[in-house]
Amino acid sequence: EPEVTQTPSHQVTQMGQEVILRCVPISNHLYFYWYRQILGQKVEFLVSFYNNEISEKSEIFDDQFSVERPDGSNFTLKIRSTKLEDSAMYFCASSDGTNAYGYTFGSGTRLTVV
Amino acid sequence: KQEVTQIPAALSVPEGENLVLNCSFTDSAIYNLQWFRQDPGKGLTSLLLIQSSQREQTSGRLNASLDKSSGRSTLYIAASQPGDSATYLCAVRPQGGSEKLVFGKGTKLTVNP
Repeated sequence: EPEVTQTPSHQVTQMGQEVILRCVPISNHLYFYWYRQILGQKVEFLVSFYNNEISEKSEIFDDQFSVERPDGSNFTLKIRSTKLEDSAMYFCASSDGTNAYGYTFGSGTRLTVV
Repeated sequence: KQEVTQIPAALSVPEGENLVLNCSFTDSAIYNLQWFRQDPGKGLTSLLLIQSSQREQTSGRLNASLDKSSGRSTLYIAASQPGDSATYLCAVRPQGGSEKLVFGKGTKLTVNP
């Protein structure tokens, strides 16, 4: 069964450093998403991406965040200057956009900012 | 603003019991509702997707129902097993052009052998 793949599974970074989280969505999907889950909290929407541009973003997705699809397979989330409160599990998801099959999520990257 | 609530927050049952997890949402204008399973420290595994025009979906021992007008969904698990122990998340996709999913906080299920 097709999977969404995320790397790394766990990343520890120092406050103020830049991090890039990587995702390989399902190959025939057209819509890509990032969500995050702070420990003990709900899964929260960050951003959606379609046709090489952001289609929707939440208030969490401020100027320190950016997304990119650098080639035909990867989808990345960059956090420019990490803060302690960015520590969370970050999930990538993709969908084919038909609303027929829902979303497929990756296994997540646990980001720890120290 | 769409809000999703899941009750109970935690549930512990003996193996073999049938159980129901509840999800409610405040705005009935949804495209679909999706149930996920999350194991500790892991990703989200899709279990069932119910379109707004559907009343229920079934997969193996799982059955999910949707009553859009009352803003409720239930996930029924038959003959529970210890391997069913996980957190179960409900998420709705609102109508109106938004692509995001709005999640509940989940129900943590423990099935005791």
